[in-house]
Amino acid sequence: GENVEQHPSTLSVQEGDSAVIKCTYSDSASNYFPWYKQELGKRPQLIIDIRSNVGEKKDQRIAVTLNKTAKHFSLHITETQPEDSAVYFCAASKSNTGKLIFGQGTTLQVKP
Amino acid sequence: DTGVSQNPRHKITKRGQNVTFRCDPISEHNRLYWYRQTLGQGPEFLTYFQNEAQLEKSRLLSDRFSAERPKGSFSTLEIQRTEQGDSAMYLCASSGDRLNTEAFFGQGTRLTVV
Repeated sequence: GENVEQHPSTLSVQEGDSAVIKCTYSDSASNYFPWYKQELGKRPQLIIDIRSNVGEKKDQRIAVTLNKTAKHFSLHITETQPEDSAVYFCAASKSNTGKLIFGQGTTLQVKP
Repeated sequence: DTGVSQNPRHKITKRGQNVTFRCDPISEHNRLYWYRQTLGQGPEFLTYFQNEAQLEKSRLLSDRFSAERPKGSFSTLEIQRTEQGDSAMYLCASSGDRLNTEAFFGQGTRLTVV
């Protein structure tokens, strides 16, 4: 069935360090991979996404890489700041439905 | 606010009662999704609509759950004979139907069954 595994479940870094979160998906037909940030008590908000026709995408301090062969994708945050502290979710979907299959989430703590 | 709107924000109900939640998507979005999120977990897909047609339902959606989108605009999710295990955050999201467009989430309805 459709499944997304996300690691680590918690991540603590010092301000200014980099953070990496990794996900693996099971459905080889998945072609869209968004990352959402969710602060406590708030809605998930898209921070970056990648489509299956590219291997890497960058937006300022955030980058995502995709390895379709291995069915892996990763989120990289550089120069972390305390306001990056939140729960991050990866997801995978297919364009015919847009249904998102989410990973279990990573709680990122950035210590000042 | 022209984003996805959900009402109510919070609902406390007694076990066995019926509850109904409403979602108003972004107006030009054809696709509407319902997800359930429990503490410490990622959102889990429940069901999705393309305009007024309900095209997919998760096995998580027991026969006590029903969703509608009568005119292809707002949607309702009803839970009959609520159980304590139904306590969760119910999230609605909408997107356009072009390939791989962003899904925008509402703020959710937090249901507590006592």
